[in-house]
Amino acid sequence: KAGVTQTPRYLIKTRGQQVTLSCSPISGHRSVSWYQQTPGQGLQFLFEYFSETQRNKGNFPGRFSGRQFSNSRSEMNVSTLELGDSALYLCASRPDGDYGYTFGSGTRLTVV
Amino acid sequence: KNQVEQSPQSLIILEGKNCTLQCNYTVSPFSNLRWYKQDTGRGPVSLTIMTFSENTKSNGRYTATLDADTKQSSLHITASQLSDSASYICVVVRNGQNFVFGPGTRLSVLP
Repeated sequence: KAGVTQTPRYLIKTRGQQVTLSCSPISGHRSVSWYQQTPGQGLQFLFEYFSETQRNKGNFPGRFSGRQFSNSRSEMNVSTLELGDSALYLCASRPDGDYGYTFGSGTRLTVV
Repeated sequence: KNQVEQSPQSLIILEGKNCTLQCNYTVSPFSNLRWYKQDTGRGPVSLTIMTFSENTKSNGRYTATLDADTKQSSLHITASQLSDSASYICVVVRNGQNFVFGPGTRLSVLP
């Protein structure tokens, strides 16, 4: 069965712009979470969605937002991009009642 | 404070050798501990999941141990292969839902 799909794989944006990243979870998975990974900070939790509702949120500024659609697909938006937002953004999905997350390959965002 | 520490930060070994990666945590309440392998530019892939009552769990050439008393875990890789070159991330699940990530150990296997 298909894994977690993230698009695009690579993205270059200019400081001040906004960006939207997309994640399609494994079929049947209703829980989707997002993570930021940088060399200095490692993996950091952004937020988790379940059935179109944000269930958990990490310590990131309000410029980072997300949403989930009725088909469980999720998007993450970052507004007013800063150089420090350059990172690998990972999406993961899991089945109900199981914390075995499956990660996507990520979107590499570079802010210049 | 809920933290996960890993050592060493990076490791270089020759193909065919064994190695052990360490993970110490102060996460509470503890639900389970996971080891992930992450190839460069890819998402992490789960290797093992260990609950409080499990001491050892194997997945092929990967063997994880857990000492819940000392809050330590290790990942032992046997007969390393070039494809083992990756980052290995220790993750402790807190309170059944919150993931606390370690910084990872970068392993390089040389021919």
